Amino acid sequence: DVKVTQSSRYLVKRTGEKVFLECVQDMDHENMFWYRQDPGLGLRLIYFSYDVKMKEKGDIPEGYSVSREKKERFSLILESASTNQTSMYLCASIPSKLGEKETQYFGPGTRLLVL
Amino acid sequence: GQSLEQPSEVTAVEGAIVQINCTYQTSGFYGLSWYQQHDGGAPTFLSYNALDGLEETGRFSSFLSRSDSYGYLLLQELQMKDSASYFCAVRDEQAGTALIFGKGTTLSVSS
Repeated sequence: DVKVTQSSRYLVKRTGEKVFLECVQDMDHENMFWYRQDPGLGLRLIYFSYDVKMKEKGDIPEGYSVSREKKERFSLILESASTNQTSMYLCASIPSKLGEKETQYFGPGTRLLVL
Repeated sequence: GQSLEQPSEVTAVEGAIVQINCTYQTSGFYGLSWYQQHDGGAPTFLSYNALDGLEETGRFSSFLSRSDSYGYLLLQELQMKDSASYFCAVRDEQAGTALIFGKGTTLSVSS
């Protein structure tokens, strides 16, 4: 079974703090993603990565950065947390081979509260 | 741009059949996926249609009509545990294998 884990289920931070959200997958997947989920807005793509050291902006990258130093690990960084970044953050991964069943495997999510 | 439309809420009783529709707009289409998410949990994959027609997996079926840019998820013999949010999704043209999700349909099953 594919396993995607995230470092924290719940996190409370103060405005201006630097926040690190870690994601690890154990299936040697090339592609990894960070989404945020907000009520009424669904899941929105923040950043994604196709390979080690590689990163691409998604739909809402402002205020975030990412790091992919190892294939299994994809980190989301909030350089200076703000209250509008209070959200549920979901990490996902998928193998690179196209034409497969398009299954993205999600981590359990990190619910972040910025005060 | 890409977009997906699905109803925001659906209610039903145990044992009933429910259909959740999804219309999408995308210039490059690879297939339509469905995900289920229980409250507080992560989305989990339910089904995927790349070609027209019906795919059946137990009590759940998914249908796709590429010419109509339309699909649906059919849930039969509803159970209380089916109460969850259901998302349709297509591949994000700008982001390779990333997905664009609909805003989700909240299904409430009552006894």
